[in-house]
Amino acid sequence: GQSLEQPSEVTAVEGAIVQINCTYQTSGFYGLSWYQQHDGGAPTFLSYNALDGLEETGRFSSFLSRSDSYGYLLLQELQMKDSASYFCAVMGTYKYIFGTGTRLKVLA
Amino acid sequence: DVKVTQSSRYLVKRTGEKVFLECVQDMDHENMFWYRQDPGLGLRLIYFSYDVKMKEKGDIPEGYSVSREKKERFSLILESASTNQTSMYLCASRSQGARSYEQYFGPGTRLTVT
Repeated sequence: GQSLEQPSEVTAVEGAIVQINCTYQTSGFYGLSWYQQHDGGAPTFLSYNALDGLEETGRFSSFLSRSDSYGYLLLQELQMKDSASYFCAVMGTYKYIFGTGTRLKVLA
Repeated sequence: DVKVTQSSRYLVKRTGEKVFLECVQDMDHENMFWYRQDPGLGLRLIYFSYDVKMKEKGDIPEGYSVSREKKERFSLILESASTNQTSMYLCASRSQGARSYEQYFGPGTRLTVT
């Protein structure tokens, strides 16, 4: 079957750097995405990696290694507003398979 | 901006009732999706549709059906609601063209079945 594993919770302090890992067991997908969801809100798209390597978008970066079946989201200069759940997802022809999510708590 | 709207934010229904959850998107997206979200389980795909009148089962279709009569509208139907269908339901859409990897979600409907 297809599955994606993420840590359930990560805690870091404001201004720090945090990495959220995603390991997957799936065959044949187009890319790896990351979504952010604040409590009570809808998931919103953060980043997409079609190819191996690092993609940078402001304070957020995402990495994919297909050979290692692994990816991560890197958040720099953490802010209180980054406290949210983060989901990795692999994209197939029509649909996404989502991970179970990582709850990030940013402490002052 | 893409907008995905859902008919209700909160809904309370009784066991055995037929429940309709409506979703509308305004960006002419071909693909639409229904997920349920439960603590610790992430987002699980119930059904999706890649074109009008087309539907495909996701990972957990049992107890649900869908309808897509118009491109912008995708409805989720609980034929006979049960307490284990109490959940947050999220609708999403995405294009098949440019930025097809970007999925847009609605605000969600929190359904409680008593």
